Amino acid sequence: NAGVTQTPKFQVLKTGQSMTLQCAQDMNHNSMYWYRQDPGMGLRLIYYSASEGTTDKGEVPNGYNVSRLNKREFSLRLESAAPSQTSVYFCASSDPGYSEKLFFGSGTQLSVL
Amino acid sequence: AQSVAQPEDQVNVAEGNPLTVKCTYSVSGNPYLFWYVQYPNRGLQFLLKYITGDNLVKGSYGFEAEFNKSQTSFHLKKPSALVSDSALYFCAVIKRGFQKLVFGTGTRLLVSP
Repeated sequence: NAGVTQTPKFQVLKTGQSMTLQCAQDMNHNSMYWYRQDPGMGLRLIYYSASEGTTDKGEVPNGYNVSRLNKREFSLRLESAAPSQTSVYFCASSDPGYSEKLFFGSGTQLSVL
Repeated sequence: AQSVAQPEDQVNVAEGNPLTVKCTYSVSGNPYLFWYVQYPNRGLQFLLKYITGDNLVKGSYGFEAEFNKSQTSFHLKKPSALVSDSALYFCAVIKRGFQKLVFGTGTRLLVSP
């Protein structure tokens, strides 16, 4: 059982380049999330999708876009990468309902030079 | 706005001793509270949650947490620490009726042999 799968695991970009982080879950979860993790800041929510076809902004959405391609997949796109977007990105999913626990992927370490 | 605070960046404890990792929250009403653990180069893993009922919640790997409404705290505890418990621990809170889980900044637990 794979759970939540993120690709790539590592990525180095130059300022201004674009890229898409991919996330897929095989647990039939309705809700999916993108977080970034920075030292001393904990995890901050970028975007989330409560169900297929819907997306909403989190705490730090600027500079990012998302697509909920289907129930399994939720991608995060950086249109024009900036050094401030250097971070570790985590995708997560959860059962319907806000009380349920999140299942996290193993993360993508992104460096923007 | 909902928030959660972890006042200690790092907690050091000797193997076999009890451990406590502190968390306080600021959410109106009755929140849902969670603890997650992150091992090196991994995504976060769910440890336990408080929804309602008994103030002492038991979770994975022998961990437990005590909900104290008057002190707005949700401290993580374990009676006897193991070296393998060394990791980064995150407290999280969600307000009932909302989708967004808010994480603390994390506390690094270091258990020495």
